[in-house]
Amino acid sequence: DTGVSQDPRHKITKRGQNVTFRCDPISEHNRLYWYRQTLGQGPEFLTYFQNEAQLEKSRLLSDRFSAERPKGSFSTLEIQRTEQGDSAMYLCASSRTLSQETQYFGPGTRLLVL
Amino acid sequence: GQQLNQSPQSMFIQEGEDVSMNCTSSSIFNTWLWYKQDPGEGPVLLIALYKAGELTSNGRLTAQFGITRKDSFLNISASIPSDVGIYFCAGGNYGQNFVFGPGTRLSVLP
Repeated sequence: DTGVSQDPRHKITKRGQNVTFRCDPISEHNRLYWYRQTLGQGPEFLTYFQNEAQLEKSRLLSDRFSAERPKGSFSTLEIQRTEQGDSAMYLCASSRTLSQETQYFGPGTRLLVL
Repeated sequence: GQQLNQSPQSMFIQEGEDVSMNCTSSSIFNTWLWYKQDPGEGPVLLIALYKAGELTSNGRLTAQFGITRKDSFLNISASIPSDVGIYFCAGGNYGQNFVFGPGTRLSVLP
């Protein structure tokens, strides 16, 4: 069991550029979550997938954000026209659909928008 | 929307002391999760709770699912330097996403 992986671990970009992050969940997990975390706060839910279907999106997920999970395995999160307020840690978590759900997190991608 | 409160916000303790922290909510949850996060890393799952009143241990850590289903508690016994970090609680219900607290920052003084 290799755990959740995220790539890249760090990203520095200029305001207005597009960025894309990747998450590879634990292999048998059918649910995949994206969170955003800013300094001094807990993770804030952005969106989640069950297999390839995107089932829920937070109001935090503006039109500049898009997430995909085309084959129900890895997922990508794209931010278009980045703004300085997008600077944060972007966390991915995965789980299995069970009545007793437990989410396992990846190491995160830290984004800095200059 | 749902919000979780964690108390204390931060704490400084001597190595060897026991630690208690809690998490409260205005909403009922049927799952509580406790995580520890080190700087620059993702949260690591410590304990999962699925039943009101449940008491579960993981080494020196013990967590309890409150009877009202609106709170949870985490205790760390005989703290050591590697316990330093931020501890997050998360509450969830089946079919819904989890809500996270703002964290309790723990510092252990040698």
